[in-house]
Order: sequence, then structure tokens, then C-alpha cells
Amino acid sequence: KAGVTQTPRYLIKTRGQQVTLSCSPISGHRSVSWYQQTPGQGLQFLFEYFSETQRNKGNFPGRFSGRQFSNSRSEMNVSTLELGDSALYLCASSLGTASYGYTFGSGTRLTVV
Amino acid sequence: DQQVKQNSPSLSVQEGRISILNCDYTNSMFDYFLWYKKYPAEGPTFLISISSIKDKNEDGRFTVFLNKSAKHLSLHIVPSQPGDSAVYFCAASDRLRNTGKLIFGQGTTLQVKP
Repeated sequence: KAGVTQTPRYLIKTRGQQVTLSCSPISGHRSVSWYQQTPGQGLQFLFEYFSETQRNKGNFPGRFSGRQFSNSRSEMNVSTLELGDSALYLCASSLGTASYGYTFGSGTRLTVV
Repeated sequence: DQQVKQNSPSLSVQEGRISILNCDYTNSMFDYFLWYKKYPAEGPTFLISISSIKDKNEDGRFTVFLNKSAKHLSLHIVPSQPGDSAVYFCAASDRLRNTGKLIFGQGTTLQVKP
């Protein structure tokens, strides 16, 4: 079966711009979580959506937002980009909780210049 | 406050020997633990997990041990192969209170020498 698909794979944006990243989960998975990976902070949780509702949120500023559609596909948006937002953004899909496991996509590498 | 710690940034072992990767946690509410393997520019790949009601889980060459009293878990890879060379992350979950959220350690880079 198809895995978790993230688009685009690479993105270069200028400070102050906004960006939208997309994640298509494994078919049947209703939970989508987003993570930011940076060399200094490691993998940090952004937020999780389940059946179009945000169930959990990490400690990131309001510039980071997301949504989930009825087909479980999810998008995350970062507004007013800062240099420090440069990172690998990963999404993970699951049937529900950690017991079912989380399958990660290959990520979107965002570079802010 | 780092709730999940992997204190060894790197580990080097000879092919065929055992690799032991360690992870400590501080939050006693964590009830599920996972290990992931990651190559650069790729997403983490799930390896093995363990529930807090168990102290050992085995899957092929991979075994995870959990010591709840010490808040410590370890991943054993036997025998180690060059293809195991990657960054390994342990992650913890509080399934009841923090759905969808994994807390990751900083990772350990494993190098398996032929």
C-alpha cells in the first residue's frame, strides 16, 4: 500500500513569505501529526489532527497552523517566515494512537533565505 | 525540559557484534515507547515498540528492554550489520493525555564497521 506522501520535497522561501506544506496519509489513517526537525532542537511535535479536528498542539507560535480535510489529507501553513523556520518538516499518519504506530513521510525540506 | 534523553550522540561497533542504544525518560506518564531509524533527508522508519506493561519485546534482530523503575529503555541489535548504520531515535508517548504526540530523544548515530 502507498506510504505517507509529502509535497513538495524541497522548498526555498524568503523571510516574511508564507508557505503551505501538504501531507497525504496512508489510506484509512485518520490521524496526521506534524513535526519539525532541526539540528539544534531535534524532532519537535507541532500538532495532530484526527477526523478534521486538532486534537493536540505543541509549543510553537501561532504562525504555525494546520488543517485536515475530510479525506484525511493535511496541510500545514507557516506565515511570516523567519530564518529559524528552516527545517525538515515531517508528517506522520496513524490509525489513532501510538499503539498503532506512526508512519512518517520523507519530509519537506524548507529553506528560508 | 528534555523528557527523553539519548546521552550517547554516537556509537561505533564491528559488524556481527551487538549494538546497544540507550534512552532515559523522566515523565512517569509515558506508557508507550518506540524506536525509529533515520537516514539523512528521509523520514524516520519504525523499528520496534514496547508498552509500559512489558519489559521486553523482540522482533528479529531487534530487542527492546524497558526498565520502568529506572525509567530506562534500550535497543539491542544482534548481530549488527553495515546496513544498520543510521541515526536511531527513541520516542515516548502518553497515549491517554497526549494523543498523536511523540516525544523524541536527540538521537544516536550508529556506525557499523565491516
